[in-house]
Amino acid sequence: GDSVTQMEGPVTLSEEAFLTINCTYTATGYPSLFWYVQYPGEGLQLLLKATKADDKGSNKGFEATYRKETTSFHLEKGSVQVSDSAVYFCALRDAGGFKTIFGAGTRLFVKA
Amino acid sequence: DAGVIQSPRHEVTEMGQEVTLRCKPISGHNSLFWYRQTMMRGLELLIYFNNNVPIDDSGMPEDRFSAKMPNASFSTLKIQPSEPRDSAVYFCASSGTGDYGYTFGSGTRLTVV
Repeated sequence: GDSVTQMEGPVTLSEEAFLTINCTYTATGYPSLFWYVQYPGEGLQLLLKATKADDKGSNKGFEATYRKETTSFHLEKGSVQVSDSAVYFCALRDAGGFKTIFGAGTRLFVKA
Repeated sequence: DAGVIQSPRHEVTEMGQEVTLRCKPISGHNSLFWYRQTMMRGLELLIYFNNNVPIDDSGMPEDRFSAKMPNASFSTLKIQPSEPRDSAVYFCASSGTGDYGYTFGSGTRLTVV
């Protein structure tokens, strides 16, 4: 079945460092791909999405490119801030499907 | 839009009691999802509805759990009787047609003592 694998955390960075959180997926069709972010005590929030190969999703300085050849959707940010400390979830949804498959989440700590 | 609204935010109950969690999805969204989140098991999909009809309840852990969606603006998740291992944060999320992202509520933190 479909699945999402993301790098284990926690990831600890200093402010203004470059961030990469790796995500790979397995899917039989042509899924849409997502990154969600969860701040402490809150629900998940959609951060960005890409619906087809080579699409780049971006939001709040975060970017991820849908790479079909490597089945990857890595999250990047050029300069992280303390306020980016959260748990990040990679996810996929089959075209025409209702259900979204979530990765296990990667916790990010950013130190001042 | 106020987003997905869940109530209560926190619930503490004794083992054996009935617990009802409530969710109001975003108006116009036609899919609704119930998730449970724990440190040990992460985010688990319990059940989801499309146009108020349950589509897949294979994630419901056992018969003590039930969910209903009597109309497009309201859903409940009930646990009867509750057990300490049900302690978790329960999230409701909704999604619209053609909009592939989910909007999550703030969750209900359930503690069963």
